[in-house]
Amino acid sequence: GAGVSQTPSNKVTEKGKYVELRCDPISGHTALYWYRQSLGQGPEFLIYFQGTGAADDSGLPNDRFFAVRPEGSVSTLKIQRTERGDSAVYLCASSIGQSNTGELFFGEGSRLTVL
Amino acid sequence: GQQVMQIPQYQHVQEGEDFTTYCNSSTTLSNIQWYKQRPGGHPVFLIQLVKSGEVKKQKRLTFQFGEAKKNSSLHITATQTTDVGTYFCAGRRGGYQKVTFGTGTKLQVIP
Repeated sequence: GAGVSQTPSNKVTEKGKYVELRCDPISGHTALYWYRQSLGQGPEFLIYFQGTGAADDSGLPNDRFFAVRPEGSVSTLKIQRTERGDSAVYLCASSIGQSNTGELFFGEGSRLTVL
Repeated sequence: GQQVMQIPQYQHVQEGEDFTTYCNSSTTLSNIQWYKQRPGGHPVFLIQLVKSGEVKKQKRLTFQFGEAKKNSSLHITATQTTDVGTYFCAGRRGGYQKVTFGTGTKLQVIP
């Protein structure tokens, strides 16, 4: 497709379980971002990839969160030992290149609910 | 860390009235972007400002970047019901690709 694709759109899990969220960016976009958005809040930065490498992971809240982008395209956000406070919409965005300008194109998000 | 605050948090206006949201960064920015998020949707890019004091217009929307590159504003003239949503500013610091989003202003337009 032409846009950023995220799967699953909804995920309900139990406290303590492991979760993977997938993001397929726009073809040719080298920059990929993960954000977390709680109800009524702005998107909270988690991690940014340039190509395959995590150029800035300063927003990951703790070591339960990890993200990879092994081939410089699809990215997976992994959350171990989920907690109720992890419930949020996880947004992925891609951007065209390496300059520090350029708009972010967002996917529809993955809504995570931890019971 | 960098913080980006927006005021007001909420704004209800009668259709046809004007609306302004203000964005303030704790650090100097290399550029600032504005996004609109409709209820239940994802943020959609509106515009980017790069130069100190820059002003850009899109139909009824006017965007401004402050002289010190630490603040910005979005003004909507004669609001319409289609303007409903949450408006976010988002800034980059010099040399960094990380984009920090503001707290957002939720606009409700009463027909």
